[in-house]
Amino acid sequence: DGGITQSPKYLFRKEGQNVTLSCEQNLNHDAMYWYRQDPGQGLRLIYYSQIVNDFQKGDIAEGYSVSREKKESFPLTVTSAQKNPTAFYLCASSIRQGIEAFFGQGTRLTVV
Amino acid sequence: QQQVKQSPQSLIVQKGGISIINCAYENTAFDYFPWYQQFPGKGPALLIAIRPDVSEKKEGRFTISFNKSAKQFSLHIMDSQPGDSATYFCAASRADSWGKLQFGAGTQVVVTP
Repeated sequence: DGGITQSPKYLFRKEGQNVTLSCEQNLNHDAMYWYRQDPGQGLRLIYYSQIVNDFQKGDIAEGYSVSREKKESFPLTVTSAQKNPTAFYLCASSIRQGIEAFFGQGTRLTVV
Repeated sequence: QQQVKQSPQSLIVQKGGISIINCAYENTAFDYFPWYQQFPGKGPALLIAIRPDVSEKKEGRFTISFNKSAKQFSLHIMDSQPGDSATYFCAASRADSWGKLQFGAGTQVVVTP
């Protein structure tokens, strides 16, 4: 089955720690995205990548980092610089010329 | 600031009724307007989408109405069913943005039996 796999589903982080969220897709999509979802605020774009080894900041990139070493993978690191990291994180992908975005099932990150 | 404004925040409708969700945008460069449906704990899934060259698009019980001059678009869910209970997001993007979407804040729809 083609799709986007995010792991883990739930993640707990102590304050001051970095954590990495995994996103893998087997849709052969060129573009990948990370969104953050908070209650009542919709989805906000963190980072996006249109091609391997290249990525751009979205609207709320501060405190986050990404890499795109393979077409299939776009991991997101939530660093200790992110002041309010507790949220639902969603990874998405789209084809090169298309604009329909397909989403993974999300990772819920909680700071304890 | 939010580029896509969505209302209402929540909506309760009886089974068989019509759910209506409205969205407004400012950026006239937007040319793709999708609606996503999200169930609790899941990622959003594309429901229906429209481009500004048409004023209405219907897929089953779901209809998008688009008013380019007013910069508004809306989702109508006809004959609402309990299984439609979910959060609905409108979004907008530009053709050159490779799927980079600006989302509304979401509307939680509850369909009562």
